[in-house]
Amino acid sequence: DAGVIQSPRHEVTEMGQEVTLRCKPISGHNSLFWYRQTMMRGLELLIYFNNNVPIDDSGMPEDRFSAKMPNASFSTLKIQPSEPRDSAVYFCASSLGGFEQFFGPGTRLTVL
Amino acid sequence: DQQVKQNSPSLSVQEGRISILNCDYTNSMFDYFLWYKKYPAEGPTFLISISSIKDKNEDGRFTVFLNKSAKHLSLHIVPSQPGDSAVYFCAASDPGNTPLVFGKGTRLSVIA
Repeated sequence: DAGVIQSPRHEVTEMGQEVTLRCKPISGHNSLFWYRQTMMRGLELLIYFNNNVPIDDSGMPEDRFSAKMPNASFSTLKIQPSEPRDSAVYFCASSLGGFEQFFGPGTRLTVL
Repeated sequence: DQQVKQNSPSLSVQEGRISILNCDYTNSMFDYFLWYKKYPAEGPTFLISISSIKDKNEDGRFTVFLNKSAKHLSLHIVPSQPGDSAVYFCAASDPGNTPLVFGKGTRLSVIA
């Protein structure tokens, strides 16, 4: 069975450019989470969706970040404009009504 | 303010010995705890969990202990193997089914 799929796996961009990260959750899961991992802050939750509806986006650092989930099988996290301090690994995870979350392999973002 | 704390960023253990990873939490409403394991260039994967109605849960070489009065849990790995070398994240959830709160992780190195 396919797990959570994220693309791209690596992204290198220049400051000021728009970045879009993509996630396909496990089929049948009804919750989707976006996390950012940095050395300083560890694994921090940015936003999560239940049944495609954003429930809590209080972790989104600022208005430059936005996330959408147009359907149950796809979500995007967009950064516009990107800044060097956005460099991190971004994870998407999904779950089915329970506590255990299944993580994707992550997208390593580097903003020059 | 961190609700889940892993105060040891790293730990080195010899192969065959016991590894003990610690986690403290501040929110007394947390009632379910999980440990995740993360290898480089991969997403975190679920390892073991414990409910607050128990004080111990065992799965093969892995045992999690929960001390509710001290708001402390620990993960024991016996015997440690080189393949256990990874970053271990502690996570917690409350009955409101809000998303997991993660610690910053502890990097375990098992030396052959």
